Amino acid sequence: DSGVTQTPKHLITATGQRVTLRCSPRSGDLSVYWYQQSLDQGLQFLIQYYNGEERAKGNILERFSAQQFPDLHSELNLSSLELGDSALYFCASSPRQGANEKLFFGSGTQLSVL
Amino acid sequence: QKEVEQDPGPLSVPEGAIVSLNCTYSNSAFQYFMWYRQYSRKGPELLMYTYSSGNKEDGRFTAQVDKSSKYISLFIRDSQPSDSATYLCAMRRAGANSKLTFGKGITLSVRP
Repeated sequence: DSGVTQTPKHLITATGQRVTLRCSPRSGDLSVYWYQQSLDQGLQFLIQYYNGEERAKGNILERFSAQQFPDLHSELNLSSLELGDSALYFCASSPRQGANEKLFFGSGTQLSVL
Repeated sequence: QKEVEQDPGPLSVPEGAIVSLNCTYSNSAFQYFMWYRQYSRKGPELLMYTYSSGNKEDGRFTAQVDKSSKYISLFIRDSQPSDSATYLCAMRRAGANSKLTFGKGITLSVRP
């Protein structure tokens, strides 16, 4: 168990809808990362937060947004969902920010858009 | 060309075999190299971590980085059925906000 908690584990929704994925990092970790994993693209970095502030952005669509709250948990909001958004969404955390930081991943949220 | 290329697999070997997994990359700025293991329906877990070139050994696992060739490898000795998983290489540049770039992963199956 990595200590990173993601809810829900599975989410089934329809096109055009909006969903929120939740992540609780390991105790004491200040950095949170969101990744999307699909069969054709692999693991793609979406966004990073450190102690409540956005620090790095990857291939995140404008329909997606995220935030990190004062208690350090994070939420990823996906709106106007399309079939192609179906994927596994992972949250990862690390104690600080830095290139030598090792990431610890949660078990993911499987999103199915029908 | 993708920044990180990984043999697509899948790979099936008998128990006890030596397994070699490889990745190539194009960005010479990558400094930190990792191998993650991902079991079915689980998140990736860090297996090996190496800074710059060289070898690192941990039990049955050896990670090798050759920066001159932009090539990294993971060797698994005496492979076990419990090693059956997807293995992803990952790497990042120096800098606090550098992102971790993953290979697509290779699925390994170790047959008893």
